[in-house]
Amino acid sequence: SAVISQKPSRDICQRGTSLTIQCQVDSQVTMMFWYRQQPGQSLTLIATANQGSEATYESGFVIDKFPISRPNLTFSTLTVSNMSPEDSSIYLCSVAIGHLNTEAFFGQGTRLTVV
Amino acid sequence: DQQVKQNSPSLSVQEGRISILNCDYTNSMFDYFLWYKKYPAEGPTFLISISSIKDKNEDGRFTVFLNKSAKHLSLHIVPSQPGDSAVYFCAASASNYGQNFVFGPGTRLSVLP
Repeated sequence: SAVISQKPSRDICQRGTSLTIQCQVDSQVTMMFWYRQQPGQSLTLIATANQGSEATYESGFVIDKFPISRPNLTFSTLTVSNMSPEDSSIYLCSVAIGHLNTEAFFGQGTRLTVV
Repeated sequence: DQQVKQNSPSLSVQEGRISILNCDYTNSMFDYFLWYKKYPAEGPTFLISISSIKDKNEDGRFTVFLNKSAKHLSLHIVPSQPGDSAVYFCAASASNYGQNFVFGPGTRLSVLP
């Protein structure tokens, strides 16, 4: 398994500002993922972040809005830029480990409220 | 179009009885399935998984069954305990698509004492 620390656990932000969420893993992992869980909905993959390359974004998500850094094999950040109330969600960091990277483990999430 | 469906948003079960959570998928390329449990204010916790080469996987009180022809899987919890009360997410991935996990909408399980 992997222990994932995510900061901050929650924040209330003003419209138009940006928030950077940090994700720290207790072991080196190749693949890290960022998910969003909007109120009452399931988890949706935002992007895949591999060390040494640019993040790969899913349909509906763009780098200008959700820039991601992956400076090493244990750390990643997700920035939610120019926030609006529609960005209010839980944001989750995840890593894939195990045989063929088929098991995903999650951080505790960041509950973001934009006012 | 939801590729992974959990048609029961909620389920209530008496303590000690069996809980059965269902999940259906539409993408025939999915070959790996996982169940996650999520408590409020916490990230999802991995429970159990199953590869498409199997039809059953068991881990303690948790058993997952896979019916590939019906594109259906279920999670059985026996016996159910109050601490099992949480939201359960079914997730699927296709090895050809990398590790992109597609999650269902979740089922809220309440185990009543």
